[in-house]
Amino acid sequence: GEDVEQSLFLSVREGDSSVINCTYTDSSSTYLYWYKQEPGAGLQLLTYIFSNMDMKQDQRLTVLLNKKDKHLSLRIADTQTGDSAIYFCADLYGGATNKLIFGTGTLLAVQP
Amino acid sequence: DVKVTQSSRYLVKRTGEKVFLECVQDMDHENMFWYRQDPGLGLRLIYFSYDVKMKEKGDIPEGYSVSREKKERFSLILESASTNQTSMYLCASSSIPQGKGYTFGSGTRLTVV
Repeated sequence: GEDVEQSLFLSVREGDSSVINCTYTDSSSTYLYWYKQEPGAGLQLLTYIFSNMDMKQDQRLTVLLNKKDKHLSLRIADTQTGDSAIYFCADLYGGATNKLIFGTGTLLAVQP
Repeated sequence: DVKVTQSSRYLVKRTGEKVFLECVQDMDHENMFWYRQDPGLGLRLIYFSYDVKMKEKGDIPEGYSVSREKKERFSLILESASTNQTSMYLCASSSIPQGKGYTFGSGTRLTVV
């Protein structure tokens, strides 16, 4: 089946930029998403990108998509301690079931 | 503010009990999903539903069943709870087309003792 992979952990200092990476295998992907999960909470949609786009910017967030390499990244500028959370990459699988496939999540730890 | 509401944040049940996890959405979404989340394993899809009275197995349906009698409500049933079903359970819903992704509930942390 299709797969989405992320590194498990990233540590940055407050004020630095964070870059969280994701790779996926689905050749029929239509949308790709980034979700944020704070401790003890559900997942909150941060941003998404349509598969015919290369980049999307939304305030401190920049999403880059390399469709040839099936690589997605999320850059958070001026990272704050409130950005500490688990970040999930997800692929809207283009097959008949039309469901999201999630990565394992990247824990972002922001050091003051 | 649109919402997906899960009836319990924390549950403790005994092995062998029948457990019901309830999820309600107020967005008139067609699709509803149940995931479980375990450390290092990410989110794994248990069951999903595209319409009332319809259900599809996800990746790990064993030991679970679901019910969708009304569009807004999707219930997950553990027929006979076991300790390996201790987990965080997340409900989500989405519209068709799915461009805007899923809306998640806050989760139910289930402990089976």
